[in-house]
Amino acid sequence: GIQVEQSPPDLILQEGANSTLRCNFSDSVNNLQWFHQNPWGQLINLFYIPSGTKQNGRLSATTVATERYSLLYISSSQTTDSGVYFCAVVSPTGANNLFFGTGTRLTVIP
Amino acid sequence: NAGVTQTPKFQVLKTGQSMTLQCAQDMNHNSMYWYRQDPGMGLRLIYYSASEGTTDKGEVPNGYNVSRLNKREFSLRLESAAPSQTSVYFCASSEGDRATYEQYFGPGTRLTVT
Repeated sequence: GIQVEQSPPDLILQEGANSTLRCNFSDSVNNLQWFHQNPWGQLINLFYIPSGTKQNGRLSATTVATERYSLLYISSSQTTDSGVYFCAVVSPTGANNLFFGTGTRLTVIP
Repeated sequence: NAGVTQTPKFQVLKTGQSMTLQCAQDMNHNSMYWYRQDPGMGLRLIYYSASEGTTDKGEVPNGYNVSRLNKREFSLRLESAAPSQTSVYFCASSEGDRATYEQYFGPGTRLTVT
């Protein structure tokens, strides 16, 4: 199946700082989603972004499908941003799998 | 609008016992999915149902069965639980019959098999 790599694996930020999370994938994709898994384990949809740029408040994402990567930007981080951020993709061939990366664990310190 | 709901939230089983995890969605979505998440990892697809009346295997189907009861409900059954099935199980749904549509996840069921 398609390989999804996320970096960095861990990130510690002071409240108010900005960060960039990266997702690289090994093949072309039909679907790319970013999720936030909060400390209670809930998966929250952030972006559906197979290509282009989207913004939602302090968060924005860019996917460059031709170069097989996506970036998630978090500005003015807050303690509630803590958790694990997952990138997940679907290959245009094969089954209806969302292939997940192993995530970036973000800790925001007050 | 509850989205995707799952029951139970927590379950402890002994090896060899059976159980069914329930999932329901109220978004009128065609496709539904079952994933498992092991510690420190992303989710992996167990089974999916592209539409009512159809089911297909995903990446890790061994030891599981599924039933798409109607458009709203998709259940996951463990016939003879094993410690390797200790995991958090997530149900998801999407509007279309391909995973090119955005998927929405339930809150998860934490299962421990002793």
